[in-house]
Amino acid sequence: EADIYQTPRYLVIGTGKKITLECSQTMGHDKMYWYQQDPGMELHLIHYSYGVNSTEKGDLSSESTVSRIRTEHFPLTLESARPSHTSQYLCASSESGKLNTEAFFGQGTRLTVV
Amino acid sequence: DAKTTQPNSMESNEEEPVHLPCNHSTISGTDYIHWYRQLPSQGPEYVIHGLTSNVNNRMASLAIAEDRKSSTLILHRATLRDAAVYYCILKAAGAGSYQLTFGKGTKLSVIP
Repeated sequence: EADIYQTPRYLVIGTGKKITLECSQTMGHDKMYWYQQDPGMELHLIHYSYGVNSTEKGDLSSESTVSRIRTEHFPLTLESARPSHTSQYLCASSESGKLNTEAFFGQGTRLTVV
Repeated sequence: DAKTTQPNSMESNEEEPVHLPCNHSTISGTDYIHWYRQLPSQGPEYVIHGLTSNVNNRMASLAIAEDRKSSTLILHRATLRDAAVYYCILKAAGAGSYQLTFGKGTKLSVIP
């Protein structure tokens, strides 16, 4: 059973609102990631973190921002939501520095901006 | 980065074995082969990984070709719960080694 949690599972919000998607893990993993996935499409990495106070942008450009103040917590923020941000957002974590370890994914947040 | 190639979709009858192929002809000697699957409306979940030798776990088996240019994920007895998109991913050493780069995967349908 994966110990990584995302809230909310579903969010419908109006254009222009600020939103924060929460992601927490209790496994003490240094590495955390955010992926974006449109329906029926591939997952794309948008942000990742090596550890506390470390964040980097992923392969897919995103208007969202992230922070990593605590090891267990990696929230994603959209300052002004737009309909183009409608998508599923998936958070993941893994142990650092190993090629033979698995990543654990949350259930995802399905965001709809109207 | 080394890429993988998988069929877009496959079908299997329930309770039959399923062999999901993956080609990775540009794999380097230190790349690990990882498989994940994504059930409908869920996040991906780890299935299995290997380097050179065949691997078995409670979910599946992984058969790796001797030249490592291809691998096959084997589900010994498909159930309806195995219907998912299966991703074959190479995990490489060096910068970005912590990342998982997902392709389109193979959508497995299981017929009752």
